[in-house]
Amino acid sequence: DQQVKQNSPSLSVQEGRISILNCDYTNSMFDYFLWYKKYPAEGPTFLISISSIKDKNEDGRFTVFLNKSAKHLSLHIVPSQPGDSAVYFCAGAYGGATNKLIFGTGTLLAVQP
Amino acid sequence: ETGVTQTPRHLVMGMTNKKSLKCEQHLGHNAMYWYKQSAKKPLELMFVYNFKEQTENNSVPSRFSPECPNSSHLFLHLHTLQPEDSALYLCASSLRAGREQYFGPGTRLTVT
Repeated sequence: DQQVKQNSPSLSVQEGRISILNCDYTNSMFDYFLWYKKYPAEGPTFLISISSIKDKNEDGRFTVFLNKSAKHLSLHIVPSQPGDSAVYFCAGAYGGATNKLIFGTGTLLAVQP
Repeated sequence: ETGVTQTPRHLVMGMTNKKSLKCEQHLGHNAMYWYKQSAKKPLELMFVYNFKEQTENNSVPSRFSPECPNSSHLFLHLHTLQPEDSALYLCASSLRAGREQYFGPGTRLTVT
C-alpha cells in the first residue's frame, strides 16, 4: 500500500509560468512533509518542508500548501526556470527523533525555455 | 569533503561476490540511513542508525548487512545478491532531532 502518491509522473511548463506539483497521502501519522528535488546522477536535495499544523510555507519561489482534510499537498514554483527541471519527490515523515521518510514515486518536471 | 559522500559511485558485481558500499557524512549528524531506489518505485527505507545503534530494519534480506562504526560512517555489506537487487543505493543523514535528511549521490549497483 503506497502511503504517499504522486499521480503525475511528468509535467511540462513554460519558463516564467507556475509549476504545480501534487501529492496525496493516506497515513494520518505523518506530522511533517518534505519536498526533495533530484537531478540525474545526484542524490535528492531537500527543498522545502511543512509541519502538519500549518497550511502554507513559503521560501522564495517555492510554496508548499497542505490540506489536511483532503490529505493533499502541493508544491508551487513561480516563476518556473529551466534550472528547475528535475524529478520532485514528496515525502511524509513520522517517528519522532529519527524520522522515517516515506517517499512518493516522483514527478519529472520539464521547464521549457 | 562536504555533505554526504558515497563510494563507489558505480558497482557491478556477480551473484557470488562480496562487496561493500561506504557512506561518510561531514555534517555532524547523529542519524544515518540506507535507502534503495529501484526503477519506477519510490525510495525505500532499508536501515536507520541513531548514535551508531540500529533502530530500524525495514524487513531487509540478510544478504544486506549494515555496519555503523561511528556517527560519521555507514557501510552496507553485500553478499550473494540477486539480479533484482540492482538499484540505486542512497545514504542519508540527519540531526537526531532534525526533520530534514541530507542525501549522498548514491551508488548505482548492477548485479549480474
